[in-house]
Amino acid sequence: NAGVTQTPKFQVLKTGQSMTLQCAQDMNHNSMYWYRQDPGMGLRLIYYSASEGTTDKGEVPNGYNVSRLNKREFSLRLESAAPSQTSVYFCASSVRTSGSSDTQYFGPGTRLTVL
Amino acid sequence: QKEVEQDPGPLSVPEGAIVSLNCTYSNSAFQYFMWYRQYSRKGPELLMYTYSSGNKEDGRFTAQVDKSSKYISLFIRDSQPSDSATYLCAMKGGYGQNFVFGPGTRLSVLP
Repeated sequence: NAGVTQTPKFQVLKTGQSMTLQCAQDMNHNSMYWYRQDPGMGLRLIYYSASEGTTDKGEVPNGYNVSRLNKREFSLRLESAAPSQTSVYFCASSVRTSGSSDTQYFGPGTRLTVL
Repeated sequence: QKEVEQDPGPLSVPEGAIVSLNCTYSNSAFQYFMWYRQYSRKGPELLMYTYSSGNKEDGRFTAQVDKSSKYISLFIRDSQPSDSATYLCAMKGGYGQNFVFGPGTRLSVLP
């Protein structure tokens, strides 16, 4: 099992450019998440998909859009990148069923720099 | 006040020391508590999970939850240089709620 995979690993954008971060999981998990990690801020939830066909905003959704393509794949799109979106982006997945610990499994991350 | 507070460190200890890492929180509804370890330039990986109050031990690691004080701890015994990483606490309420993460404590174990 590959677990959670993310592409690309690194990306440099200019202000105003757009891009899509890809995430896939092979653990048959119901839920998927996108976080950003900034120094001193911890992991902050951008968007999540509790189940296939649903998406919801997290703590910091402005400037982002998501698509839950199928049960395996969850993409994050930056329509018009801004320097404030320079960060490390992590995708995660979990079972998310009633009574479970809802343990999240993380991908290796995408380091994004917006100039 | 942030919902989850954690001393960012860095914390440097000699090899073999007992390490204590802590988080405090303000939301009394939290009942699931996790500790993640994150090596430099890697994704977080689950280390320990505890439901509600009490202790849980796994090898050299012990997780403690004190819900009355809104305080959780991770103890590492006989620390090794390979334990050098950032340790993130995470917690959540019941079904359907999302985890809230602490900012992480950077630990260095010196040989």
